[in-house]
Amino acid sequence: DVVMTQSPLSLPVTLGQPASISCRSGQSLLYSDGNTYLSWFHQRPGQSPRRLIYQVSNRDSGVPDRFSGSGSGTDFTLKISRVEAEDVGLYYCMQGSHWPITFGQGTRLAIK
Amino acid sequence: EVQLVESGGDLVQPGGSLTVSCAASGFSFSDAWMSWVRQAPGKGLEWVGRIKSKSKGGTTEYAAPVKDRFTISRDDSKNTLSLQMNSLKAEDTALYYCTKLDFGDYVTPQFWGQGALVTVSS
Repeated sequence: DVVMTQSPLSLPVTLGQPASISCRSGQSLLYSDGNTYLSWFHQRPGQSPRRLIYQVSNRDSGVPDRFSGSGSGTDFTLKISRVEAEDVGLYYCMQGSHWPITFGQGTRLAIK
Repeated sequence: EVQLVESGGDLVQPGGSLTVSCAASGFSFSDAWMSWVRQAPGKGLEWVGRIKSKSKGGTTEYAAPVKDRFTISRDDSKNTLSLQMNSLKAEDTALYYCTKLDFGDYVTPQFWGQGALVTVSS
C-alpha cells in the first residue's frame, strides 16, 4: 500500500496567519493517464469530511480561494493564505493513483 | 443537491453480521460509482471499498482488512447502496461513510453522508 505521511500532525495557527500542511507519498502519484490523483479533505469537529482539493490543485465548488494545493510526484502541500475560525479541524490528504486508496493520518489545525 | 443518508448502524457482537444502507438523492445514482469509507473512534479515514455503475460492470473492490467479509451492493431502482458486514471484529468498530465518487476519476469521494455508527462489542 502507498503510505501517505502528513506533517505536521498538529498545527496551531493565529487567526489571519498562513498555514501549510505537507503530504508525502511512498511512491509517485503520477498515474498512467497523466493525472495525479491527490486530494485534500477537511473534517470539522463532529462533521463528515468535505473535499477541498482534487487532482493536486483544483478547488471544489464553494471552497474559498484562500485554500490552494500544489505539488507533484511524491510531495504535495495544502496552503491556507489567511486562517479563519471555521478552518479548524482535521485535514487529510488522499491518494487515488494506486490501489488500495490510502489516506494520510491527518493534521489537526487549531487556533492559537 | 446531493444527499447521502446512511442508516442501520448498531451494536453487534463479535462474529455477528450487520447491513448498513445509504439512501442517495440529488444525482443520477445509476451512473454513479459509490464507495464506503470508515473512521474508527478518534482515528483517521480508511477506505473500505467501491462499486462501479452497472454500465461499467457493477463490479466491486475491497480493502484487504474487509475482503471476503464485507459485500457492497446497489439497488438502482431504489437509489440505495448497501454494505453487508459478516464475521465482524472489534476492529471494525467505526463510523461508516457512504460516498459518491467523482465522475472525473472514479476514485475520489466527492460527497459524503453523515455516517452510520457500527459498534462491535460483547
